[in-house]
Amino acid sequence: AQTVTQSQPEMSVQEAETVTLSCTYDTSESDYYLFWYKQPPSRQMILVIRQEAYKQQNATENRFSVNFQKAAKSFSLKISDSQLGDAAMYFCAYGGLYNFNKFYFGSGTKLNVKP
Amino acid sequence: GAVVSQHPSRVICKSGTSVKIECRSLDFQATTMFWYRQFPKQSLMLMATSNEGSKATYEQGVEKDKFLINHASLTLSTLTVTSAHPEDSSFYICSASSQRGALQQETQYFGPGTRLLVL
Repeated sequence: AQTVTQSQPEMSVQEAETVTLSCTYDTSESDYYLFWYKQPPSRQMILVIRQEAYKQQNATENRFSVNFQKAAKSFSLKISDSQLGDAAMYFCAYGGLYNFNKFYFGSGTKLNVKP
Repeated sequence: GAVVSQHPSRVICKSGTSVKIECRSLDFQATTMFWYRQFPKQSLMLMATSNEGSKATYEQGVEKDKFLINHASLTLSTLTVTSAHPEDSSFYICSASSQRGALQQETQYFGPGTRLLVL
């Protein structure tokens, strides 16, 4: 079975600075998808960024970018120019191509943004 | 696009009663819907996967007779907690994905969640 590990339970960053959240995963599949979701205090899960494993190019969405290292099974999220609204729980998720796109979630990283 | 709603957002019920939670995809056809449970400060735990018109697939350890899931249409799935007890109190979240249309097929779009408190 696939497993997803987020080794940083909590992190802090100063407003306007850059922070990187780590995620590693284990799988025997060659094709899959990886996601970062944000869960603010409202508890609504919001898609931050998505990466297809077959693409070598790292995904980017405005201030959010990933460092996808397929051989190392690593998928980190970089947040640039951090804003107070970025404060939330961040979950890394693995999605396979089978089992109707069932997700495997990491345990989450709580990000604090200091003004 | 890709909006998922849940109703109710919060429910309080007495022990022994049944509670139904609705999950709707508002602007797309959800061929697959997922139900999660989340305890405070923890990750999401998948309870079951449902496909339109077929029986739900439950994760190991989830009682299918207690958590009834119906996915009767491409825009609606319901989770019924039968004979609820205080230990069923939790935050329940649904998500939906689509094999049709222009949406990213592998992406799950989440509802806002339902907080259940059983007294």
